[in-house]
Amino acid sequence: DIQMTQSPSSLSASVGDRVTITCRASQSVSNYLNWYQQKPGKAPKLLISASSSLQSGVPSRFSGSGSGTDFTLTISSLQPEDFATYYCQQSYSTPLTFGGGTKVEIK
Amino acid sequence: QLQLQESGPGLVKPSETLSLTCTVSGDSISSSSYYWGWIRQPPGKGLEWIGTIYYSGSTYYNPSLQSRVTISVDTSKNQFSLKLSAVTAADTAVYYCARRPSRGRYFQHWGQGTLVTVSS
Repeated sequence: DIQMTQSPSSLSASVGDRVTITCRASQSVSNYLNWYQQKPGKAPKLLISASSSLQSGVPSRFSGSGSGTDFTLTISSLQPEDFATYYCQQSYSTPLTFGGGTKVEIK
Repeated sequence: QLQLQESGPGLVKPSETLSLTCTVSGDSISSSSYYWGWIRQPPGKGLEWIGTIYYSGSTYYNPSLQSRVTISVDTSKNQFSLKLSAVTAADTAVYYCARRPSRGRYFQHWGQGTLVTVSS
C-alpha cells in the first residue's frame, strides 16, 4: 500500500495568513494526488484533483502543486470558512489511501 | 442535482454483519461515466477507502477488508450496498457513500454519512 504522510498534523493561523500543507507519498504517485476539505460533522469536499486541478466552485485562493512523492496545498489568504481539516488522497493505485489529515485552527 | 443518501442500522452487534444502502437520486447509477464507492471514518480519525463498484457489478476492494466486504449494485432501485461481516468495535465509524468519475479515482460527490456503532 502507498502510505500518505501529511504535515503538520495541525496548525494555528489567522485570517489572511498564507497556509501551506504538505503531503508525502511513500512511493511515486505521479500527479495522482487529490485534496479534500472536511468540516466537523460533514462529508469531505473535493478541492483539487490531479495535484493542481481546482474543482468547479472552489475559490481560487486554494492551489495545489507537486508530483512524484511531494505535494503541497496552499491557501493564499485564509478565510474564516477555511478552518477545517484537510486530507490528501492518492489515486495512483489501489488501495486508495488518504493522509492522516491536517487540522487548520484559528489562532 | 445529485444526492447520495446512506441508510441502515446505526447499531450492530459484534460478530454480526453490517449492512448499508446508498440511494442515488438526480442521476442514474447505470451511467458509464461513474463508479460508486464506500469510505469510512472512525470517530476522530482519518478516512479509509472500503471499495468501489461499477454499474456492471465489477468491484474493487481494500485488501485489508476484502475477506469481509461485499459491495453490490441494484440498478432497478438506483442503489448500491455495503455488507461487512464479522464486525468488531474497530469497525465503528461514519460510513460514507460517494461517486467518482470513470477516469479519476477521486470522490467528487459524497453522501452525508451514517454512524454505525458496533456494540453489544
